This record gives sequence, C-alpha cells and structure tokens, in this order.
Amino acid sequence: AQSVTQLGSHVSVSEGALVLLRCNYSSSVPPYLFWYVQYPNQGLQLLLKYTSAATLVKGINGFEAEFKKSETSFHLTKPSAHMSDAAEYFCAVITNSGGYQKVTFGTGTKLQVIP
Amino acid sequence: DAGVIQSPRHEVTEMGQEVTLRCKPISGHDYLFWYRQTMMRGLELLIYFNNNVPIDDSGMPEDRFSAKMPNASFSTLKIQPSEPRDSAVYFCASSRSGQETQYFGPGTPLLVL
Repeated sequence: AQSVTQLGSHVSVSEGALVLLRCNYSSSVPPYLFWYVQYPNQGLQLLLKYTSAATLVKGINGFEAEFKKSETSFHLTKPSAHMSDAAEYFCAVITNSGGYQKVTFGTGTKLQVIP
Repeated sequence: DAGVIQSPRHEVTEMGQEVTLRCKPISGHDYLFWYRQTMMRGLELLIYFNNNVPIDDSGMPEDRFSAKMPNASFSTLKIQPSEPRDSAVYFCASSRSGQETQYFGPGTPLLVL
C-alpha cells in the first residue's frame, strides 16, 4: 500500500539554523514526490517536486530536497531558517498505476522558528 | 489567472442541514480534487475527477457525502445531512494532469453545530 511518513509533527529551529524535515514513502511503482507549505488560514502551496529527473530538487524560498530511492526518502532542507518559514509542511506522493492516480499526503510537520 | 476559487468563504450550520461547497478550478486543468483537513486526521483526499468524471471516491467517508462536476469549470461537494464530526476545512485543488502540481483553493472552513 502507498504511504507517506513524516517524522515529527512539530520541529523547532533557531533562526539561521539548518532546517531538516523528514519524509519517507512507500509505493509499488515509481513515485512523483512533492513538498507543500501551508501558512495559517491558507491553502497549500507547492514548494518543490520530484518527477524522475534530477534527484536533487530546488524549490522556492531556498528549500531543496533530495530523492533517495534506496532509502525511500525525500527529506526537505534549508541551510538557514528565516522567521517567515514558520508554517506547516506536507510531503505528498502521487503514483500512476493503470491510468489511476493515487494521491497520498503525509500528516504534516509544523515548523517553528525561534528568534 | 484567479487560481482555484472556493465558496462560501466559511460556513456555519446546524446538525441535520444540507451543506453545499463549491469550487471553480483553474481553466485548462483536467483534474479536480476535494480534500478535508482536520487536526485529528490531517489532510484526507475525498474524491477526484478527471475530465469531469469521478475517478476515485474511496475517500468519501459515507453516503452522506456526494460530489459532482457538471462541467469543466464547476464542482460541488454536498453533505446531507450534516453532522458535527463533519466540521473541518474543505479544500479544492486542480491540476493539468494527475502527476502535475496541484493548485489549492483557500479552503472553506465548515462548522456544524
């Protein structure tokens, strides 16, 4: 069965520190992987996506993620946290099997940035 | 482009009442998704459409929920009768294809008293 696991529902970092949000997935077919960000009282916005091209994907706001097939991971990183990064982050996997799309979102990780 | 448009902006209703949520996807997008978000269950995919046809409704919680897409520019999610446990934020999203980026609407917070 397809699944997404985000380790840590809450992560706190100091401003300027490294941000690391973890995402592991399982799927029986090659996945498309996404990271979305949700600011309070808003819908989700795309940060970045992996669609079988380069394994290191760069997104908006200085975020990047690396697809590691052997580890079934797609962790999100940012070298230096900014106060404006405080939000909830969702990892998602989409697969296509027999013409049907299977969409699975993780449970989300709330990022707190401490001044 | 105006993005995905959802209405109403918020909804408060009493248990037993019918609730209709509306969504206008981005023009040219062939896929439309309905999600529900709660603190307890996170973000859940309820149903998605491809070219106005429902493809996967396995996430619809029960028969009280129904969704339609009469044309490429409009979809509804209906709850009849509504119950307090239906309280959540309901999001609509659209994408060009099944593997492409989904663009989310602002959501409709629903409170059933």
